Amino acid sequence: EAGVAQSPRYKIIEKRQSVAFWCNPISGHATLYWYQQILGQGPKLLIQFQNNGVVDDSQLPKDRFSAERLKGVDSTLKIQPAKLEDSAVYLCASSPGTPASVGNSPLHFGNGTRLTVT
Amino acid sequence: AQSVTQLGSHVSVSEGALVLLRCNYSSSVPPYLFWYVQYPNQGLQLLLKYTSAATLVKGINGFEAEFKKSETSFHLTKPSAHMSDAAEYFCAVSDRSGGSYIPTFGRGTSLIVHP
Repeated sequence: EAGVAQSPRYKIIEKRQSVAFWCNPISGHATLYWYQQILGQGPKLLIQFQNNGVVDDSQLPKDRFSAERLKGVDSTLKIQPAKLEDSAVYLCASSPGTPASVGNSPLHFGNGTRLTVT
Repeated sequence: AQSVTQLGSHVSVSEGALVLLRCNYSSSVPPYLFWYVQYPNQGLQLLLKYTSAATLVKGINGFEAEFKKSETSFHLTKPSAHMSDAAEYFCAVSDRSGGSYIPTFGRGTSLIVHP
């Protein structure tokens, strides 16, 4: 099966600019996640979708970050305006389970988008 | 909220030596537990998972992990390290929060393998 696809792989922007990341999960996977991985740290969950609905976005900085998953398939994550501290790798992952049963379903990750904010 | 602690940000071993990467979690109820591996410039890949069927879990590439409820631990081991094992390893827990399972990751342990 095709894996989780993310684009772009790398992005360099100046602070206060905006940026968008795209993710195409594995076909049929109901649950989609966006994680932020700062250098030297573990992935931090930003938002979790089930189909096109938000399950958890408690750690998403909503004043500058937004995400959507139209039609329950592809997803985009946007940052506007970007800050220096947003420099990180943004990982998208998907899982076949629903949030109520997804506990024992492993996550399938894309290769991530490395964002550098200067 | 669930938390995961990985002791040691770096672990260095010689090729052929035992690998031990430590993970402790905080939960009154055993959650689902996972180990993932991340190679440079790649996403995370599943090594193994614990889902209460057996306390000793075998994964890919010769890795295994033992769930110890009394110690709230899920340490990862491999009897003999190979150069190709050099990577970042993450312990993760998936615990129910408000009706949904939320995956939480530790900060990772970098495994360095010397020839």
